[in-house]
Amino acid sequence: GENVEQHPSTLSVQEGDSAVIKCTYSDSASNYFPWYKQELGKRPQLIIDIRSNVGEKKDQRIAVTLNKTAKHFSLHITETQPEDSAVYFCAASTPGTYKYIFGTGTRLKVLA
Amino acid sequence: DSGVTQTPKHLITATGQRVTLRCSPRSGDLSVYWYQQSLDQGLQFLIQYYNGEERAKGNILERFSAQQFPDLHSELNLSSLELGDSALYFCASSKGRRTLYQETQYFGPGTRLLVL
Repeated sequence: GENVEQHPSTLSVQEGDSAVIKCTYSDSASNYFPWYKQELGKRPQLIIDIRSNVGEKKDQRIAVTLNKTAKHFSLHITETQPEDSAVYFCAASTPGTYKYIFGTGTRLKVLA
Repeated sequence: DSGVTQTPKHLITATGQRVTLRCSPRSGDLSVYWYQQSLDQGLQFLIQYYNGEERAKGNILERFSAQQFPDLHSELNLSSLELGDSALYFCASSKGRRTLYQETQYFGPGTRLLVL
């Protein structure tokens, strides 16, 4: 069945360093890949997304890259700040399925 | 604030009981999704409704059911509750249009269910 693997499960970085989270999806027909940030006890919030017709998208300190051949996509956060500490979820969606398949999440800790 | 509302925020009940969780989508959104998030776990898709009709189903237990009403709010019914049903239950909404790319889903604040 459809599956999204996410690594690492936890990630600690020093403030100012970069963080990279990787996801691999199984369904080659998937064409939409959102990333959500979830702070403790709060709702998941969309931070960036990418469609399969582009290879990279950037929004200030956050970027996402997509490699359709390898079926993986990555979240890049540069110049990390303590407020970036949260759990990050990737997801993949296939046309016609009307649902997201989420990765298992990455707990990011930015150490001041 | 995403515009998606969920009630109640917290719910404490006993095993064997039945509860109803409620969700109101963002204005203009016709589609509602339900997710379960157990402690330190990911988001498990349960079910999706579009304009009152079930559109997609995930790993939803038979003890769980949902519906979407004409005013587009949705309810998730959980019955014969077990300890393992304790979790955060999120509702999300989107316009639900049949487009090439899946639309962004906006999540509500969630209902925290504790089964004792």
